[in-house]
Amino acid sequence: GNSVTQMEGPVTLSEEAFLTINCTYTATGYPSLFWYVQYPGEGLQLLLKATKADDKGSNKGFEATYRKETTSFHLEKGSVQVSDSAVYFCALTGSQGNLIFGKGTKLSVKP
Amino acid sequence: ETGVTQSPTHLIKTRGQQVTLRCSSQSGHNTVSWYQQALGQGPQFIFQYYREEENGRGNFPPRFSGLQFPNYSSELNVNALELDDSALYLCASSFQGDKGNGYTFGSGTRLTVV
Repeated sequence: GNSVTQMEGPVTLSEEAFLTINCTYTATGYPSLFWYVQYPGEGLQLLLKATKADDKGSNKGFEATYRKETTSFHLEKGSVQVSDSAVYFCALTGSQGNLIFGKGTKLSVKP
Repeated sequence: ETGVTQSPTHLIKTRGQQVTLRCSSQSGHNTVSWYQQALGQGPQFIFQYYREEENGRGNFPPRFSGLQFPNYSSELNVNALELDDSALYLCASSFQGDKGNGYTFGSGTRLTVV
């Protein structure tokens, strides 16, 4: 079945550093891919999405490109802020229309 | 538009008891899904409801059951609670046939089983 593997954290960066969180997937068919963010004590918020190969999702300075040839959807941001500190989840659609999540990567940004 | 709301926000139950969690879907959405998120883990799919029927289920035992109502709100029921059921339970709504747009999640119900 479909599955997601994302880099383990925690990731600690200084403010204005470059961020990459790796995500690779295994899937049959052509799933949609997502990044969700979870701030402390809250639910999940959709950060960005891509529905087909070579699509680039972007939001709030974050970007990720749907790479079918490498089965990847890495999350990047050029300059992180303290307010970006959160847990980031890579996800894809499963065969039942559900979401399949990675284990999450905790990001801490220090001033 | 209103988002997804869940109640209660926190709950403490004793092992063996039963619990009901509630969710109101986002306006315009007709599908509700439930996820269990254990501490430090990603959410795991429990089941999904569309047109008041379960139309998808993850690897959870039958003591996890649910309902969807005509207004698309939903309940998650868990019988015979076990300590491992302690988790954040997330409800998500979406529009059937539009999965590419993702899901809107509620803030969750934190269930503690003692």
